[in-house]
Amino acid sequence: ETGVTQTPRHLVMGMTNKKSLKCEQHLGHNAMYWYKQSAKKPLELMFVYSLEERVENNSVPSRFSPECPNSSHLFLHLHTLQPEDSALYLCASSQDKGGHPNTEAFFGQGTRLTVV
Amino acid sequence: AQKVTQAQTEISVVEKEDVTLDCVYETRDTTYYLFWYKQPPSGELVFLIRRNSFDEQNEISGRYSWNFQKSTSSFNFTITASQVVDSAVYFCALSVPSGSARQLTFGSGTQLTVLP
Repeated sequence: ETGVTQTPRHLVMGMTNKKSLKCEQHLGHNAMYWYKQSAKKPLELMFVYSLEERVENNSVPSRFSPECPNSSHLFLHLHTLQPEDSALYLCASSQDKGGHPNTEAFFGQGTRLTVV
Repeated sequence: AQKVTQAQTEISVVEKEDVTLDCVYETRDTTYYLFWYKQPPSGELVFLIRRNSFDEQNEISGRYSWNFQKSTSSFNFTITASQVVDSAVYFCALSVPSGSARQLTFGSGTQLTVLP
């Protein structure tokens, strides 16, 4: 149990579908993240939320839409995806302390997404 | 811009051998943190260690040890007497200040296979 739970673990969707990935953290952290992990590529940061406000959006296509309704929950809404969007999507949380020393990020088990 | 290089894509060793995973980083920041994460087949990233840029002391934790050398911008990870359960992908990561939230720059990972 890592304290960060992602659902579903696996998802297969067509290019015209709309689906959502869910992440929940039970660690009392104030920052949450979405990462994309494609085969043989470094983890790519997609979005960062700190205190429920989006503070980073790394040029992610608009077909990915994040939502952070509170500090414990993070969603990634998906629509009209492409086959190249197939990847492992990882959620993470950390206790962001601004200018103070960073703490480690805790990761969920990821959602394995396949776009057909 | 930050960069983390893990030149070893895949390593195979026989159980009980020692193995070192290399990590080289680039940053212009004088304050930064370095991390190692383990990603077992289940998918989540498991935090192993965090070191700050002002602490070059090497660290040992059981069969794991880390060698941080600022002069060569390296943060190598050694597993002593490897076991089959050590088989996983290992990621080195770098964290620098980024506004109100921190982000991790990951290397591309090293796939370690420990054979019985």
